[in-house]
Amino acid sequence: EADIYQTPRYLVIGTGKKITLECSQTMGHDKMYWYQQDPGMELHLIHYSYGVNSTEKGDLSSESTVSRIRTEHFPLTLESARPSHTSQYLCASSAIREVRETQYFGPGTRLLVL
Amino acid sequence: AQKITQTQPGMFVQEKEAVTLDCTYDTSDQSYGLFWYKQPSSGEMIFLIYQGSYDEQNATEGRYSLNFQKARKSANLVISASQLGDSAMYFCAMEDSGGGADGLTFGKGTHLIIQP
Repeated sequence: EADIYQTPRYLVIGTGKKITLECSQTMGHDKMYWYQQDPGMELHLIHYSYGVNSTEKGDLSSESTVSRIRTEHFPLTLESARPSHTSQYLCASSAIREVRETQYFGPGTRLLVL
Repeated sequence: AQKITQTQPGMFVQEKEAVTLDCTYDTSDQSYGLFWYKQPSSGEMIFLIYQGSYDEQNATEGRYSLNFQKARKSANLVISASQLGDSAMYFCAMEDSGGGADGLTFGKGTHLIIQP
């Protein structure tokens, strides 16, 4: 059973606000990921990290930023939210040491920007 | 170019019947992994099953099995004896070392509805 947590689960916010989506995992996994998913659509990778102080951009361009100061924590920040940022954001983690790197996902944050 | 193709946007299946969800993929890598995830309406992604490109046997996990046909580049998910709780979105995903960003590439998903 995966132990990966995301808060908040739902967020409704006005345009221009700064928001941080939290993601934490207690499995000691090295790699963490953020995916964006529009309703009824596939997931797209927007950020990933190999470990502390490592952050990389994913295939889908995003105005969000991430940080990885602690192994277990991988927050995503939007400096100025816009309606185009309305989506679901899913965090995942996996262990480099595993032969098969299965990604385990958190419950997601559904963001609505008005 | 899209790497994962799921051609069934939606499926209706009677309870207790078996169901096959189609997935084809495209990669030039020899080493890759294929995953299936289930996403209920609550939104979380639940890992179901994995098939490695070098695995000689089809993967099985309980009621889930993966029909892996490497030459045809297909990795169909088979759910035996479907249950009402199987109603969800199902995503096929691939991990390879194809030079792009790390992480999984997902298909567009199949919305499966199990009818009583």
